[in-house]
Amino acid sequence: KQEVTQIPAALSVPEGENLVLNCSFTDSAIYNLQWFRQDPGKGLTSLLLIQSSQREQTSGRLNASLDKSSGRSTLYIAASQPGDSATYLCAVTGRRALTFGSGTRLQVQP
Amino acid sequence: DTEVTQTPKHLVMGMTNKKSLKCEQHMGHRAMYWYKQKAKKPPELMFVYSYEKLSINESVPSRFSPECPNSSLLNLHLHALQPEDSALYLCASSQVGAGMNTEAFFGQGTRLTVV
Repeated sequence: KQEVTQIPAALSVPEGENLVLNCSFTDSAIYNLQWFRQDPGKGLTSLLLIQSSQREQTSGRLNASLDKSSGRSTLYIAASQPGDSATYLCAVTGRRALTFGSGTRLQVQP
Repeated sequence: DTEVTQTPKHLVMGMTNKKSLKCEQHMGHRAMYWYKQKAKKPPELMFVYSYEKLSINESVPSRFSPECPNSSLLNLHLHALQPEDSALYLCASSQVGAGMNTEAFFGQGTRLTVV
């Protein structure tokens, strides 16, 4: 059974810092990996999708990497802003749809 | 348009009520999903529909009954729920393709409270 772990569970940083969120998964037989953002009580907003054959994807200040063989992904956020405060979830697509990690709660202090 | 629309946004229901959650997408996606999310927990898969047919049921109690009347619509019928069923119910959709290299899009969810 696929298990997805995210570290750290919570993170508080001052505005302007660069930061890295980590995601690991136990079964490397995935089709893709997605990073989502979730604001309190809201739905999920897709940030980045990395296909299993790709190593990296970039969107604005966000950069996600994937090392399928070691079962790891990182989300790099450059020059963090208070508006980045949210929970970030990674999810892998395998045989049984998306499996989510438990998320990293990010607080960016002004 | 990458929007998945869920209605209602909030629902309060008694344990003897019957209600339905609705989800709609117009992206031409042929896979649709229901997820349940409790507070401070990740979403958990409930059901998957592929080409309007139920393909995955994650051993969900029969008081939850999914329905996919056409390729754009997904319903979740609720009956005789328990207070522990209170949660955020999320609908998602994606393409169905070779290798399932597709991006999933989620709605804003229905916040369900069972009293």
